[in-house]
Amino acid sequence: AQSVSQHNHHVILSEAASLELGCNYSYGGTVNLFWYVQYPGQHLQLLLKYFSGDPLVKGIKGFEAEFIKSKFSFNLRKPSVQWSDTAEYFCAVRLSSNTGKLIFGQGTTLQVKP
Amino acid sequence: EAQVTQNPRYLITVTGKKLTVTCSQNMNHEYMSWYRQDPGLGLRQIYYSMNVEVTDKGDVPEGYKVSRKEKRNFPLILESPSPNQTSLYFCASSPTSPGGQPQHFGDGTRLSIL
Repeated sequence: AQSVSQHNHHVILSEAASLELGCNYSYGGTVNLFWYVQYPGQHLQLLLKYFSGDPLVKGIKGFEAEFIKSKFSFNLRKPSVQWSDTAEYFCAVRLSSNTGKLIFGQGTTLQVKP
Repeated sequence: EAQVTQNPRYLITVTGKKLTVTCSQNMNHEYMSWYRQDPGLGLRQIYYSMNVEVTDKGDVPEGYKVSRKEKRNFPLILESPSPNQTSLYFCASSPTSPGGQPQHFGDGTRLSIL
């Protein structure tokens, strides 16, 4: 069965540290990739998405992600985190361009210490 | 204001008592979807709808029903709720092209089944 795996379940960083959250998926076909963020008490918001083209995509709030097809990965990065980045982050994969099925990873809780 | 509205926001009920969670969007989106969020499991898709009268199963459809009789509404029906359906539920919608990625989430409905 197709799956999405986020390796880090809980990450604690100090402000200004660099962030990288891992995401791997298991599916050999065409995929669309997404990162969502959920701030405490709020609903999910789209951070960035990859459909095709340049594998390095930039999103909101200074986040970026790199699609590495050979590694089935779509890792999220930010050079310098802020306290306001404290949230839960979800990677998601859509398996083909013809379905509405979306598979999420388990989520990574990021805690940024001031 | 563009929004996805879910009702109720909180519900405590008992096993076997049929309930409906409503979801309405005012953005004329074709795609709508339901998810449940459980600790350590991330979000799991229950059902989605690519358009009116078109619905399909996500990863965890057992015990749930949906209908899409008009574009703006996508109710989630639990015919005979059980305690393992205690969860936080999110409805989402997006324009279809190029294929429904949720970008607008509702605020969530927290269900407790006793």
